[in-house]
Amino acid sequence: ETGVTQTPRHLVMGMTNKKSLKCEQHLGHNAMYWYKQSAKKPLELMFVYNFKEQTENNSVPSRFSPECPNSSHLFLHLHTLQPEDSALYLCASSHDRQAPGNTIYFGEGSWLTVV
Amino acid sequence: EDKVVQSPLSLVVHEGDTVTLNCSYEVTNFRSLLWYKQEKKAPTFLFMLTSSGIEKKSGRLSSILDKKELFSILNITATQTGDSAIYLCAKGGSEKLVFGKGTKLTVNP
Repeated sequence: ETGVTQTPRHLVMGMTNKKSLKCEQHLGHNAMYWYKQSAKKPLELMFVYNFKEQTENNSVPSRFSPECPNSSHLFLHLHTLQPEDSALYLCASSHDRQAPGNTIYFGEGSWLTVV
Repeated sequence: EDKVVQSPLSLVVHEGDTVTLNCSYEVTNFRSLLWYKQEKKAPTFLFMLTSSGIEKKSGRLSSILDKKELFSILNITATQTGDSAIYLCAKGGSEKLVFGKGTKLTVNP
């Protein structure tokens, strides 16, 4: 138990569906992140939120839409995805985006399969 | 471009062996070097290194950073099958972590 909870753990969706991934952290952190992990690739940072404000968008396609209503919750809204978007999506949090070292705590991840 | 390079990419050993995993990085915006272990899903934090030459230990795992040569090593002694995982190295910069591709370690009985 890392203090970062993601739901659902597994999701299968069609290319025309709209779904959302949810992340909640119970660590009192101020920064939250979405990472994508595809097979045989390094972890890719997608979005960073610091104090509910989006501070980074790493050229992520618009079919991925993040939402951060407060410092404890982060969503990733998905629509019209492609099969190559199938991956493990990891949510993470840290005390402060700017802190040296920036130790990040990860959730268990959401396995997404786009069919 | 930020780069973190891990080697080897995969490694197969027998229980009881000692392994050394390598991580090299670029100096741009460097604040820290972190190691994570990823078994099935979420990476779990192992070590954070900020100072050169100071070894950090946790049981059979240890790690050290060389800021002059820009690399870190993760040592695992007396390996066990439960050590089988992907070990990720990440460079902590001023704003984000940059991960390497990981080293997949398989420990056979």
